[in-house]
Amino acid sequence: GAGVSQSPSNKVTEKGKDVELRCDPISGHTALYWYRQSLGQGLEFLIYFQGNSAPDKSGLPSDRFSAERTGGSVSTLTIQRTQQEDSAVYLCASSLEGGFGRGDGYTFGSGTRLTVV
Amino acid sequence: GQQLNQSPQSMFIQEGEDVSMNCTSSSIFNTWLWYKQDPGEGPVLLIALYKAGELTSNGRLTAQFGITRKDSFLNISASIPSDVGIYFCAAHNNNDMRFGAGTRLTVKP
Repeated sequence: GAGVSQSPSNKVTEKGKDVELRCDPISGHTALYWYRQSLGQGLEFLIYFQGNSAPDKSGLPSDRFSAERTGGSVSTLTIQRTQQEDSAVYLCASSLEGGFGRGDGYTFGSGTRLTVV
Repeated sequence: GQQLNQSPQSMFIQEGEDVSMNCTSSSIFNTWLWYKQDPGEGPVLLIALYKAGELTSNGRLTAQFGITRKDSFLNISASIPSDVGIYFCAAHNNNDMRFGAGTRLTVKP
């Protein structure tokens, strides 16, 4: 597609339930990133995929968080047993270059606003 | 990990006024970037800076990459209502990208 597409745009879930967030990057972009944006905070890095290489999971806050990228394209971020502190906007970005590129090649999606009640 | 210190956290200005915001770090970065986020959207790149001391303009926006490579500022001249949003600084090294906490700008007509 023309841009990075994320779904759903909004998700309200009950504490303890699992959620899946989807990101469809720009076609041809080899690198895909997930960030979390909490109120009043900067973008917190979660995980980075580059081609077929093992993902950089160094930003995942706990083992309740996992992500996969199938076929080098669509990615799914899964949060198990959600907690209220997981409430945030989850942003996906893709870029043509890997290794975070030069930093200027990111295209962000519109995000998924997750609310855990 | 190393975070960026962005200030101010929020600004309320009158249409037509100039705006200045800045970002500092205790570490050196090779690239500084400024993004704008409109409500319900993802951040969009405004300006990228690649050389220490570089001053770059994009319309009414001007940004500078500090000579120490540890800071950057963004100026907006003659603000207009559509400048409303959250402005993020970001800094980049190989395999590392950090973001500031954002400056929320409100422009009163």
